[in-house]
Amino acid sequence: DAGVIQSPRHEVTEMGQEVTLRCKPISGHNSLFWYRQTMMRGLELLIYFNNNVPIDDSGMPEDRFSAKMPNASFSTLKIQPSEPRDSAVYFCASSLAGAGAFFGQGTRLTVV
Amino acid sequence: GQQVMQIPQYQHVQEGEDFTTYCNSSTTLSNIQWYKQRPGGHPVFLIQLVKSGEVKKQKRLTFQFGEAKKNSSLHITATQTTDVGTYFCAGPGTASKLTFGTGTRLQVTL
Repeated sequence: DAGVIQSPRHEVTEMGQEVTLRCKPISGHNSLFWYRQTMMRGLELLIYFNNNVPIDDSGMPEDRFSAKMPNASFSTLKIQPSEPRDSAVYFCASSLAGAGAFFGQGTRLTVV
Repeated sequence: GQQVMQIPQYQHVQEGEDFTTYCNSSTTLSNIQWYKQRPGGHPVFLIQLVKSGEVKKQKRLTFQFGEAKKNSSLHITATQTTDVGTYFCAGPGTASKLTFGTGTRLQVTL
């Protein structure tokens, strides 16, 4: 298996634009997590899904953020409109039944 | 909500010295997981501890889960430059919500 695949690896966008981050979890994993990492705030859990269903989105900072998981092999995190303070590395991770999580390479987002 | 704190935030050691990071949760954990993130990389799963008082070893790394299942430690014996990175503990709280600790950044010099 190729592991968790995220795209794009890097994204530079202007303030106010819509940004969509994509994730393909490991086949067979039933949990998917979206994290944001910054120097100031560390690794923050934004939202997670179990069996494609959003379980807890309390970490989503604002209504500008939304996430979907239309099927077991794909998830998106959308920011609309983006702001400079959204600049961070966004990680997607997947796991099976509460075992260790496997992370993608991350998307480095810069909003100018 | 659940909070997971780690100490120290940063440690700088010389190669060959030992290193320990401590993890404390505000709530009882069903299990504790440890991850390593190299500079510029992504977190990589190292190990999971489930039982109260459990101790596991991976070569020079020793992981321990507290009796009350609210704390854990990672000890590295005789550090090497390849150990450089940030070590995170993570605990699933309610409904498998995986919350990461604040991390300990380890720097190793020759």
